Amino acid sequence: NFMLTQPHSVSESPGKTVTISCTRNSGSIAINYVHWYQQRPGSAPTTVIYEDDQRPSGIPDRFSGSIDSSSNSASLIISGLKTEDEADYYCQSYNSSNVVVFGGGTKLTVL
Amino acid sequence: VQLQESGPGLVKPSQTLSLTCSVSGGSISSGHYFWSWIRQPPGKGLEWIGYIYYSGTTYYSPSLESRVTLSVDTSKNQFSLKLTSVTAADTAVYYCARAFYGSQVTNFAFWGQGALVTVSS
Repeated sequence: NFMLTQPHSVSESPGKTVTISCTRNSGSIAINYVHWYQQRPGSAPTTVIYEDDQRPSGIPDRFSGSIDSSSNSASLIISGLKTEDEADYYCQSYNSSNVVVFGGGTKLTVL
Repeated sequence: VQLQESGPGLVKPSQTLSLTCSVSGGSISSGHYFWSWIRQPPGKGLEWIGYIYYSGTTYYSPSLESRVTLSVDTSKNQFSLKLTSVTAADTAVYYCARAFYGSQVTNFAFWGQGALVTVSS
């Protein structure tokens, strides 16, 4: 099975852009879709990006996703940061046997 | 679609943790969906436990497979989790969730609110 590695925490100022990485340690990042979830304290996760770069309805276009095969990683990019974006973010993918893999999560601080 | 977890909030060590997820707003038998359990220990990240298709086909996390059983009751529109031989390390918020299955399994688009289960004597 593979692992997805995220930075433990990132911080940025309001109005700026932040990128959260999710690196796959074996196998190509492009083989299986990567999804991103936002989790605020005390709440269940919600999808902010699905299938690498798709945005669910209701998610602002400040949120975007991408895949980089050269670094074997996925990225969640949040532009025009708002204080309400402060949350934990998780990437998630699958292996060839439909086993789910979550990244360890990244705490985003908007200061 | 709405999902709601239910079950005991306190389980003794070595006993079996049992939770049920009730689904409303859609049929669990409609196909193309994987019904899943995911947990989150206090202050830690998300851990996938497993999922089940309405037909009963299951996929389990390799790290929990020896202790986990998922089942589905289509007549009640529910699916359930049993985790045996629990220890304090199994203390967590347990979420049920739904993922769509097309050419690949996609994201968990719907989640329950979560149920805190504490393992303690």
